[in-house]
Amino acid sequence: ETGVTQTPRHLVMGMTNKKSLKCEQHLGHNAMYWYKQSAKKPLELMFVYSLEERVENNSVPSRFSPECPNSSHLFLHLHTLQPEDSALYLCASSQESGGSPLHFGNGTRLTVT
Amino acid sequence: EDKVVQSPLSLVVHEGDTVTLNCSYEVTNFRSLLWYKQEKKAPTFLFMLTSSGIEKKSGRLSSILDKKELFSILNITATQTGDSAVYLCAVEDNYGQNFVFGPGTRLSVLP
Repeated sequence: ETGVTQTPRHLVMGMTNKKSLKCEQHLGHNAMYWYKQSAKKPLELMFVYSLEERVENNSVPSRFSPECPNSSHLFLHLHTLQPEDSALYLCASSQESGGSPLHFGNGTRLTVT
Repeated sequence: EDKVVQSPLSLVVHEGDTVTLNCSYEVTNFRSLLWYKQEKKAPTFLFMLTSSGIEKKSGRLSSILDKKELFSILNITATQTGDSAVYLCAVEDNYGQNFVFGPGTRLSVLP
């Protein structure tokens, strides 16, 4: 158990579907992140929430929509995805005051058909 | 733009060997450098380095940072098959919440 829980573990969806990824952290952290990990590419930061406000949005297409209802929960809503969006989506948390490493969940393996 | 380069990208060794993984970086306002181990899914935290020349050690793993030359190394002595993983290096900038990752080094330890 990593302290950061992601569901589902695996997701297969068609390009016209709408689905959501869920992340929950039990570490008392106040910053949460979504990263995308594609084959043979470095981890790419998608979104950062600090104290429940979005502070980073790295030019992510609008078909990805994050939501952070409180400091323990983070969602990534997906709609009309493309096959190239297939990847491992990792959630992480940290303490915003700095000097705190990222703690990752096990990720959701997403396949878009 | 912040950048992290790791070398080698892959490495195959035999049990008992010692390996050195390299990480160099460019970041506007450096705060820390981190090492992670990723086996199947979640990257697990190994070390956070903020000061030059101070070695951090955990069992057979150790790491050191050189802020003048902008690089870090991760050493693993007496490698075991369980050390097989991708080792990720990341830098955090001083604005906070901005962690940039390198491509990783895939280490395979053969029995």
